[in-house]
Amino acid sequence: DAGVIQSPRHEVTEMGQEVTLRCKPISGHNSLFWYRQTMMRGLELLIYFNNNVPIDDSGMPEDRFSAKMPNASFSTLKIQPSEPRDSAVYFCASITGLNTEAFFGQGTRLTVV
Amino acid sequence: AQSVAQPEDQVNVAEGNPLTVKCTYSVSGNPYLFWYVQYPNRGLQFLLKYITGDNLVKGSYGFEAEFNKSQTSFHLKKPSALVSDSALYFCAVRDTGDDKIIFGKGTRLHILP
Repeated sequence: DAGVIQSPRHEVTEMGQEVTLRCKPISGHNSLFWYRQTMMRGLELLIYFNNNVPIDDSGMPEDRFSAKMPNASFSTLKIQPSEPRDSAVYFCASITGLNTEAFFGQGTRLTVV
Repeated sequence: AQSVAQPEDQVNVAEGNPLTVKCTYSVSGNPYLFWYVQYPNRGLQFLLKYITGDNLVKGSYGFEAEFNKSQTSFHLKKPSALVSDSALYFCAVRDTGDDKIIFGKGTRLHILP
C-alpha cells in the first residue's frame, strides 16, 4: 500500500482565495483525521470521520473551514476564504481500529499571502 | 476530554548518553498511548504504543517507553542516543470509547556529537 496520500504537497495562495486540500486514506482504514501543525499550537485535531461520517468537528477553527468525506477513499478540507493565519502544515491520518496507531500522510504546507 | 502534556520544548543529550522525553496524560477511561517522531519536512512516523499488558513497551530504532498509571506518564527512553535521533517527538493519547487521538505539542530532541 502507498500509505496515506495527500495533495498538493505545497500550496501558495492569496488571501481570500479558496483552498482545497485532499487526502486518500489507506485502503480498509475506517477512521480519518485532519490535523493542523503550527509552531505556536503544535498538532491540533481539526475533525475526524468514522466510516465516512464526521464525528467531531469541534477543532475546526471557524466557519471558513469545512471537510467532507464522500467515500471511504477520499476526503477534502476546504478553506474559504483563506487568510494568512491559516498558513500551516495540514496532515491527514487514517486508522483501522481502536487499538491501532494512526498512519500519517506527508502533509500539505499551506502558505497564504 | 483527554489531554497530553509534554513539559519540555527541547531536550539536549550528548551522543551515547541515555535520553528521556517526558509525557503525561489525562483521560477519563483507560488510555491508549503512542509516540511518534517527525523529521524535517516529513509526516509523523509511529514509534511505539501502549494498549494493555506489560508497562514497558519496546518500539522502533531502540526506543522504549514506560507506562505509569499512578503518575499518568508515558516517558520515551533510549539507553544510548544517536545523532540521527535528533528530531521532533510527539506523545499522543486516545481514550477508550473515544476515537479521537490527541497529541502533545512536541519535544525537540537534539543529540550533540
